[in-house]
Amino acid sequence: DTGVSQDPRHKITKRGQNVTFRCDPISEHNRLYWYRQTLGQGPEFLTYFQNEAQLEKSRLLSDRFSAERPKGSFSTLEIQRTEQGDSAMYLCASSPVGQGAREQYFGPGTRLTVT
Amino acid sequence: AQSVTQLGSHVSVSEGALVLLRCNYSSSVPPYLFWYVQYPNQGLQLLLKYTSAATLVKGINGFEAEFKKSETSFHLTKPSAHMSDAAEYFCAVSGSSNTGKLIFGQGTTLQVKP
Repeated sequence: DTGVSQDPRHKITKRGQNVTFRCDPISEHNRLYWYRQTLGQGPEFLTYFQNEAQLEKSRLLSDRFSAERPKGSFSTLEIQRTEQGDSAMYLCASSPVGQGAREQYFGPGTRLTVT
Repeated sequence: AQSVTQLGSHVSVSEGALVLLRCNYSSSVPPYLFWYVQYPNQGLQLLLKYTSAATLVKGINGFEAEFKKSETSFHLTKPSAHMSDAAEYFCAVSGSSNTGKLIFGQGTTLQVKP
């Protein structure tokens, strides 16, 4: 069990550019979540996948954001036309499906800085 | 809607002293409650979880938390603070959504003084 991994760990981009982040969950975890964390705040839910199906999206996820989880394995989060307000830590978490199995295991995060 | 309030954005204790981090929740359904710890520039690590099996929950690194339904609280404690406990602590609730998504509090920074 190698845990949840995220790539890249850090990304600096200029306003208006597109960025894509990758998350590899713990193998056999059906549930995958994306959260965004700004400085001094707790993580905020962005979106949720069960296997390859995206079942919930937060209203925080504007139309510039898109997430995919092809084949129910890794997931990508893309931000188009980045804005300075997108600067944050983007966290991925995975969880097994099952009664009571609601704890989520987090990756190290991708820190995005938009200049 | 569910919510979490963590009282005190910063808590400072001396090494060896009791640690008490406060968390109150709001939930219309029986909640699942969690405490996570975050070290600088890292992801979140699960400390402990409450899933209705027992009201006193023991976690890793000597931490424990007690679920009090009448007070809608889930405070985190540790009898004796260690320097390595200095970190950001988050309380989270899950339950009203089938997705299992977590609603986090704003976090409490724990400082441990030598």
